[in-house]
Amino acid sequence: EIVMTQSPATLSVSPGERVTLSCRASQSVRNNLAWYQQKPGQAPRLLIYGASTRATGIPARFSGSGSGTEFTLTISSLQSEDFAVYFCQHFNVWPPYSFGQGTKLEIK
Amino acid sequence: EVQLLESGGSLVRPGRSLRLACAASGFSFPNYAMTWVRQAPGKGLEWVSGISGGGEHTYYADSVKGRFTISRDNSKNTLFLHMSSLRAGDTAVYYCGKDRSTMVTLIEDWGQGTLVTVSA
Repeated sequence: EIVMTQSPATLSVSPGERVTLSCRASQSVRNNLAWYQQKPGQAPRLLIYGASTRATGIPARFSGSGSGTEFTLTISSLQSEDFAVYFCQHFNVWPPYSFGQGTKLEIK
Repeated sequence: EVQLLESGGSLVRPGRSLRLACAASGFSFPNYAMTWVRQAPGKGLEWVSGISGGGEHTYYADSVKGRFTISRDNSKNTLFLHMSSLRAGDTAVYYCGKDRSTMVTLIEDWGQGTLVTVSA
């Protein structure tokens, strides 16, 4: 089973800053990688799929990159509504499609 | 608008069974794979099980294989998760999710979840 590792676990940032979150796969998942955002008490929301394609309605300040085993999610200018937990998930070949453990963005 | 409404979550004793349901609307249900994902209190997301649009392909996490069964009724736009031999470690909010295609890949739309608590 492919293991997804996210770093850091927590990131303290200020509104307006640019932030980059990392996700690493234990073996290549090509570009079969998705990012989700989850706010407290809510279901997750799809942000990015195919490593770099924004889902419907996702603002342009969110961007994804990478392929193989190394991926990043970048938020160009943090807004107050972006403080949340972010998860990556691979969907390469066959399930199970594991998630990373999450990165929590908190206000500095 | 896609809507996914989970139901069936409750407090259940260890070793017992429970069936979750997810009522779908706002899209052509048979054309999309569906997935169950769970989240233990204060923890991350765990992929549990997926089923293709036609129901012919099913997949499970190792942690639930042999105990959980995913199924769907395309005539009623409903997804199910039958859970048996429940353990304390199965305590979580269970989310159903709609895929982007007929095969199981990622989750494009999520329900609000239903809480399963396994405790004596």
